[in-house]
Amino acid sequence: QKEVEQNSGPLSVPEGAIASLNCTYSDRGSQSFFWYRQYSGKSPELIMSIYSNGDKEDGRFTAQLNKASQYVSLLIRDSQPSDSATYLCAVNLYDQGAQKLVFGQGTRLTINP
Amino acid sequence: KAGVTQTPRYLIKTRGQQVTLSCSPISGHRSVSWYQQTPGQGLQFLFEYFSETQRNKGNFPGRFSGRQFSNSRSEMNVSTLELGDSALYLCASSLVTGGAVEKLFFGSGTQLSVL
Repeated sequence: QKEVEQNSGPLSVPEGAIASLNCTYSDRGSQSFFWYRQYSGKSPELIMSIYSNGDKEDGRFTAQLNKASQYVSLLIRDSQPSDSATYLCAVNLYDQGAQKLVFGQGTRLTINP
Repeated sequence: KAGVTQTPRYLIKTRGQQVTLSCSPISGHRSVSWYQQTPGQGLQFLFEYFSETQRNKGNFPGRFSGRQFSNSRSEMNVSTLELGDSALYLCASSLVTGGAVEKLFFGSGTQLSVL
């Protein structure tokens, strides 16, 4: 089982709709969860972080965390063509007494005008 | 505040050569992590340094090594290059809270091509 899993997509969503991105992780001890956005040819940029169960909203973005189900998601409301990118889920995992941030494979999102 | 700076931006090497990549973190960030990104494998963790000490290492062969200097700048070295080492190498810096790596801020990366 991969440490962090995402559906690689591509996920196609019409402009103005809600895009829903999902991620599962293997380590029940994980405490920190992040969503990064990566445009083609660019490096990843942090868009959301979440540490507690429930929802966290920031503008059009909402991160959702369910530690019991080991599941984290990202919702993008009122999707815009500029949201077209690869979205990477990252989870802080413990390995041999040290922490590392492990990334999923990423979900490629396309917003259709 | 300046972001994470990686040099060089592009590198072309041949098999068997070695390469050194450089990373300057955001001022005040003492943790530097390195990742390899390829289309097939995604972002793979290489190692993380904090206060000149390697705290964690990913599943890469010993040809991949790194170090961190007292000013938090970091270098990554790959010896005896193989074709499969062609990738985008990303450096990321982070503030460390309670010993834990938190939000990562990435540099633009070094695109390495091995011929």
